[in-house]
Amino acid sequence: DAGVIQSPRHEVTEMGQEVTLRCKPISGHNSLFWYRQTMMRGLELLIYFNNNVPIDDSGMPEDRFSAKMPNASFSTLKIQPSEPRDSAVYFCASSFGSGEDEQYFGPGTRLTVT
Amino acid sequence: QKEVEQDPGPLSVPEGAIVSLNCTYSNSAFQYFMWYRQYSRKGPELLMYTYSSGNKEDGRFTAQVDKSSKYISLFIRDSQPSDSATYLCATTGNQFYFGTGTSLTVIP
Repeated sequence: DAGVIQSPRHEVTEMGQEVTLRCKPISGHNSLFWYRQTMMRGLELLIYFNNNVPIDDSGMPEDRFSAKMPNASFSTLKIQPSEPRDSAVYFCASSFGSGEDEQYFGPGTRLTVT
Repeated sequence: QKEVEQDPGPLSVPEGAIVSLNCTYSNSAFQYFMWYRQYSRKGPELLMYTYSSGNKEDGRFTAQVDKSSKYISLFIRDSQPSDSATYLCATTGNQFYFGTGTSLTVIP
């Protein structure tokens, strides 16, 4: 298995631009998670999906952030418009089951907003 | 109070030392506890997974859960330079809660 796949690995953009991060979970996993990691705040859960349905989006910082999961093998996290404080590493993770099981992380997308 | 608290370190030890990494958690209903290891510029990877109280051993690694004090620990014996990474504790209630991570450097 290729594991969780994320793209792009690095993204540098200017403030105000739209950013789209992509994730392909491990085949057969039912839950998908988006996290943001910074030195100051550590790993923060933004949103998680179970069977393609958003279950908990309470961690999404504001309306500029949106996430979709149109099918079991693909998810996007979009930031529009982006701001410098959005600079972080964004991880996607997937797990088998309802979300309490072991999570497998992708390599992350390092986002820099200038 | 955060669901999981972890000392960020950094922690620096000589090769061969025994390392102790610790976390506390807030909710006594939590049953599953995990340790993830994260190398620089990589995603976290599951290292140990335990249920309820007690110890679990895997090679040089031992995970310990003390539910009476809501304390979880990871011990690394005979530490190696390849163990240099950030270690995150995690637990689950109705969702995952991660500690902020402890940075460990093992000096050859």
